[in-house]
Amino acid sequence: SQQGEEDPQALSIQEGENATMNCSYKTSINNLQWYRQNSGRGLVHLILIRSNEREKHSGRLRVTLDTSKKSSSLLITASRAADTASYFCATPRSNDYKLSFGAGTTVTVRA
Amino acid sequence: ETGVTQSPTHLIKTRGQQVTLRCSSQSGHNTVSWYQQALGQGPQFIFQYYREEENGRGNFPPRFSGLQFPNYSSELNVNALELDDSALYLCASSLAGTWTEAFFGQGTRLTVV
Repeated sequence: SQQGEEDPQALSIQEGENATMNCSYKTSINNLQWYRQNSGRGLVHLILIRSNEREKHSGRLRVTLDTSKKSSSLLITASRAADTASYFCATPRSNDYKLSFGAGTTVTVRA
Repeated sequence: ETGVTQSPTHLIKTRGQQVTLRCSSQSGHNTVSWYQQALGQGPQFIFQYYREEENGRGNFPPRFSGLQFPNYSSELNVNALELDDSALYLCASSLAGTWTEAFFGQGTRLTVV
């Protein structure tokens, strides 16, 4: 079973707009990670937020974490065509660090 | 680009055949994990190898097996292929016992006909 679930499943925005996607998870976590996948290729790590952090930034990315609601959000600001990809949240299992992924959010940025 | 390389990139096999996929881990990483990603789904954990031993397994049958070598590279073997085994197979390397990110290869696209 999947630990994280992303919402929405798909998102279409105009270049320059912001994109926001959410992730909910079920059990307590040490950290939550976001990955990007371009069209059936490998996953690229974007950002990791620890359970004692509430917000983290990396370039045009902003991630928030609410452990009381077991949810996280990823915001991409000023989107570009190159941001078109699928985005996954993942949480490592507490006993063995193995990553559990959701089904992802597919983002399409229109020129 | 990560330092994780997978081969081959694409593969077509017939139902019932056997397949071996290969992965070279990122330098300094001693743990390799394998994931199966069906079309439109998130990656599903198959198993992980650490110090040449299987270190945990997901919900996959025994016909999915693996190896890790002293240089930390790894193989995934699938016997008696079924049509549902068609998927993207991803390898990820990481440091054992650390709460850090995993580095993924570009994947092997397996098609079973």
